[in-house]
Amino acid sequence: DAKTTQPTSMDCAEGRAANLPCNHSTISGNEYVYWYRQIHSQGPQYIIHGLKNNETNEMASLIITEDRKSSTLILPHATLRDTAVYYCTTDYKLSFGAGTTVTVRA
Amino acid sequence: GAVVSQHPSRVICKSGTSVKIECRSLDFQATTMFWYRQFPKKSLMLMATSNEGSKATYEQGVEKDKFLINHASLTLSTLTVTSAHPEDSSFYICSARTGIDQPQHFGDGTRLSIL
Repeated sequence: DAKTTQPTSMDCAEGRAANLPCNHSTISGNEYVYWYRQIHSQGPQYIIHGLKNNETNEMASLIITEDRKSSTLILPHATLRDTAVYYCTTDYKLSFGAGTTVTVRA
Repeated sequence: GAVVSQHPSRVICKSGTSVKIECRSLDFQATTMFWYRQFPKKSLMLMATSNEGSKATYEQGVEKDKFLINHASLTLSTLTVTSAHPEDSSFYICSARTGIDQPQHFGDGTRLSIL
């Protein structure tokens, strides 16, 4: 199971795009990249996942590098409600790391 | 879609009692359900994986006789904390998925407090 590395914390301005990086250099060819977020005292929320191609849904976009060793989650227009801990994982069992604490400021 | 309901959301009980937590997938059939535990300001820790109709697979260090998991149907899994003690107080979260390589969908968690 590939392990992931994310920055500990990140601040972003309300209304601006938030770009969250994740390194997964040991990912294998058939492992997906999943992104989740957890708002304080709630269960995690699924955001998006992908294998090779970039993906977009109503919540975010996922950019995966060609070598698949890293990816970036993009929140196009961050709002105060996007303040949460964001987790990147390639493990279907979700071996969660510490994630990135994202704080959106007005 | 992909809603997972977890009940109860909060429970407070005396030391020595057993507590059952239910996890239901409301609008999909879950081939696999997972149970996690989370301590304050810490990440989620996987406790066990359960497949419908099979015995749960517990992670190393998790006592299977302490944390009983039943996955009787494709939409319901239960976690029973037996003879609970204060050190079992924690935030317990379940998740469910429809198949391998599919994302997990989480319940809102159960905050368990043992007095």
